[in-house]
Amino acid sequence: QVQLQESGPGVVKPSQTLSLTCSVSGGPFTSGSSYWSWIRQPAGRGLEWIGRIYNSGTTNYNPSLKSRITMSVDTSKNQFSLKLNSVTAADTAIYYCARVNSYYDADGYYYGWYFDLWGRGTLVSVSS
Amino acid sequence: DIQLTQSPSSLSASVGDRVTITCRASQSILTYLNWYQQKPGQAPVLLIYAASFLHGGVPSRFSGGSSGTGFTLTISSLQPEDSATYYCQQSDSAPFNFGPGTKVDIK
Repeated sequence: QVQLQESGPGVVKPSQTLSLTCSVSGGPFTSGSSYWSWIRQPAGRGLEWIGRIYNSGTTNYNPSLKSRITMSVDTSKNQFSLKLNSVTAADTAIYYCARVNSYYDADGYYYGWYFDLWGRGTLVSVSS
Repeated sequence: DIQLTQSPSSLSASVGDRVTITCRASQSILTYLNWYQQKPGQAPVLLIYAASFLHGGVPSRFSGGSSGTGFTLTISSLQPEDSATYYCQQSDSAPFNFGPGTKVDIK
């Protein structure tokens, strides 16, 4: 059974870089058309999509964060990573990694994609 | 950007009630709309994808529907374990936003 696990520092100082890694275990990392994604959630608030990365390294970022984000993938380690620079208190949140999967029917008709597996999340606080 | 609104923002219902949550997109997203359930202290869990397809392992009391830019998540018979916040999410175009959420409580 595929599992995702986030790891990284729980506290980051303002203006520094937040770095997180998501480790994928229990199943194939490079099969199909899967993307991998990061989502965050400030305490008591809703979910914000950060970005996604394909196994090839192709990325899509949320425009609101694009200037500060770098995502990367290491297929040899079954991991993908997020770097968010110049952090402020507004970046304090639970950060989730998730697998993106797509649905095609038997005739090849595309129905869209969705987050079908999530990590448990890791709390990152921005504080001096 | 595509905006998603959800209504109501919260509701309280009794066990066995039929509950419907609505999500409306600011423009056409065809049926590229997913629903997630999140319980306190836990990661979200996929319930419905492509507006109406039930994800594996999700109880059949959950169902999704769509009409134009409006989408619904229905719980046919509310159970105590359904107490959670429900989010819609569009996969039509970046940024792939979530709705603000609907909190469901059990009376």
